[in-house]
Amino acid sequence: SAVISQKPSRDICQRGTSLTIQCQVDSQVTMMFWYRQQPGQSLTLIATANQGSEATYESGFVIDKFPISRPNLTFSTLTVSNMSPEDSSIYLCSVEDRDRGSYNEQFFGPGTRLTVL
Amino acid sequence: RKEVEQDPGPFNVPEGATVAFNCTYSNSASQSFFWYRQDCRKEPKLLMSVYSSGNEDGRFTAQLNRASQYISLLIRDSKLSDSATYLCVVPSTDSWGKLQFGAGTQVVVTP
Repeated sequence: SAVISQKPSRDICQRGTSLTIQCQVDSQVTMMFWYRQQPGQSLTLIATANQGSEATYESGFVIDKFPISRPNLTFSTLTVSNMSPEDSSIYLCSVEDRDRGSYNEQFFGPGTRLTVL
Repeated sequence: RKEVEQDPGPFNVPEGATVAFNCTYSNSASQSFFWYRQDCRKEPKLLMSVYSSGNEDGRFTAQLNRASQYISLLIRDSKLSDSATYLCVVPSTDSWGKLQFGAGTQVVVTP
């Protein structure tokens, strides 16, 4: 499977600021996704990062709060804007490579642990 | 009703014993299913994919019951390293690429 890295691995931020999280894959993949995992909860999909076009957001998530970029097939960023303590969470990117026939099998990056004070 | 439901546990299992737990799903049109394993403070890792009636990989067996809409995971000869949270995952049938995660079942293997 693809090797996925995320930066930063963790951060502590002040409310009102923004943080951009990077996700880098060691090979080209068709699909990239961003998830959030709040303390003690399971994963929730934020959006699908589409290469060369705007991301597709799930209900409850909006572009102004979570702008996403995907300039190529190996890289994506998620920005958490105007942060509040409720944004404290683990943010994970995942990839799915449909060109290799592995439909719906997603592999996750190590996550970014965000604490907002 | 949640899309994917799991017994949260914890399941406390003596080392060497067998443990099994279920996951129920609400969408009868679902065709594929996954079990992921998540260790504390780590990312989920794909453990097993289920596309037909079941799958077996070493000590792990997944079984699918379409009539009753549940998937089970059975772990034989439990090892201490099997202690983790096991996430049941069902792809959405109306949103491309979207995975629906269960809340997870915690397994604790004790010496």
